[in-house]
Amino acid sequence: AQKITQTQPGMFVQEKEAVTLDCTYDTSDQSYGLFWYKQPSSGEMIFLIYQGSYDEQNATEGRYSLNFQKARKSANLVISASQLGDSAMYFCAMRAGTGGFKTIFGAGTRLFVKA
Amino acid sequence: SAVISQKPSRDICQRGTSLTIQCQVDSQVTMMFWYRQQPGQSLTLIATANQGSEATYESGFVIDKFPISRPNLTFSTLTVSNMSPEDSSIYLCSVEGGRIEAFFGQGTRLTVV
Repeated sequence: AQKITQTQPGMFVQEKEAVTLDCTYDTSDQSYGLFWYKQPSSGEMIFLIYQGSYDEQNATEGRYSLNFQKARKSANLVISASQLGDSAMYFCAMRAGTGGFKTIFGAGTRLFVKA
Repeated sequence: SAVISQKPSRDICQRGTSLTIQCQVDSQVTMMFWYRQQPGQSLTLIATANQGSEATYESGFVIDKFPISRPNLTFSTLTVSNMSPEDSSIYLCSVEGGRIEAFFGQGTRLTVV
């Protein structure tokens, strides 16, 4: 069975500091994709970053980077230089072939950025 | 990247009524997905909608409650039927047309009173 686990219900970070949001996953597929989404209070889902299972380099998108440790099955999101606008819900997600390419989501982590 | 227009963005409905949510994509896509996000929860897939065939529903979701139409490769609707307060959620459509990202509509925030 495929599963995404986010063990941090809530996280606090000081403005301008970096923060790591944890995500572990479980799948028997060799080919899969890992995603992070941001959901502000408006409810929309904003794509942040993607990591393919065969990608050797960790993905980066601006202030977002994904710390991909395949052997440990973890895909942590690192946000550098946090901003007040980063306060939101963050979801880790996975898509794999045996799942019919459906995207499954973790429980989410609510990030609070303090001024 | 795909642009997805979802409407309505929010609605307040009476119990026992039905609401149809529309999802329009600016390009042709093979698969469209409908998700439900109950208050304070993560996203749960309701069904996968492919053009020209019946939608495939996930465990716990049935066609009578959540009928879906997919008349062409750019459009889909989800109806929430015979609503109860437990149906109060955000409903989101997403598309994956061969791109690595899953794009989402803006979501429909439904409140059933």
